[in-house]
Amino acid sequence: SYELTQPPSVSVSPGQTATIPCSGDILEKRYVCWYQQKPGQTPVLVIYQDTNRPSGIPERFSGSNSGNTATLTISGTQALDEADYYCQAWDSNTAIFGGGTKLTVL
Amino acid sequence: QVQLVESGGGVVQPGRSLRLSCAASGFTFSSHGMHWVRQAPGKGVEWVAVIWSDGTNKYYGDSVKGRFTISRDNSKNTLYLQMDSLRVGDTAVYYCTRDLTRVKGDYYGMDVWGQGTTVTVSS
Repeated sequence: SYELTQPPSVSVSPGQTATIPCSGDILEKRYVCWYQQKPGQTPVLVIYQDTNRPSGIPERFSGSNSGNTATLTISGTQALDEADYYCQAWDSNTAIFGGGTKLTVL
Repeated sequence: QVQLVESGGGVVQPGRSLRLSCAASGFTFSSHGMHWVRQAPGKGVEWVAVIWSDGTNKYYGDSVKGRFTISRDNSKNTLYLQMDSLRVGDTAVYYCTRDLTRVKGDYYGMDVWGQGTTVTVSS
């Protein structure tokens, strides 16, 4: 079975660009989604099909997928972006989540 | 507004059963695939199961296959998760989620999440 690998943590200064990678062989042939989960809250879909933002998600969130690595990019990172981020892809009819990355804005 | 409300969680002994429900409102329930996703305390998110919009196909994560059953009643706008042979490792918050796409059998991402219901399996 496939796995998605994320770094446990990423740090960024306010106003800078945060990049969160997600790697896995499945990404060479499947779209990726990204979810944001703030402490004590439910996950929120921020990117789907590699690059698309659901309505209501700020433009500073963007995604890419190339080879076996997908990347979530947050431009002009704000303190309110501090959260756990999960990547997710589909292996046929099975959803695979990455282990999550804690983004710290400091 | 679009909403999912889970119920049915609780404390149960290992080996016992529990049935979760998820009431949907604010959208055409019968047009969307639906998922159950869980999150153990302090852990990451784990996908549990999916059911297609018309209920014809269901798929499960390896850790619950053969023990959990997902179903839906489109006339009642309700999703279910029957959990049998529960284990301590099934302890988690269980979320009902909607898939973004209305294309049957396709998956875009989970764009609506309920607030979750807590299942604790303990002797």
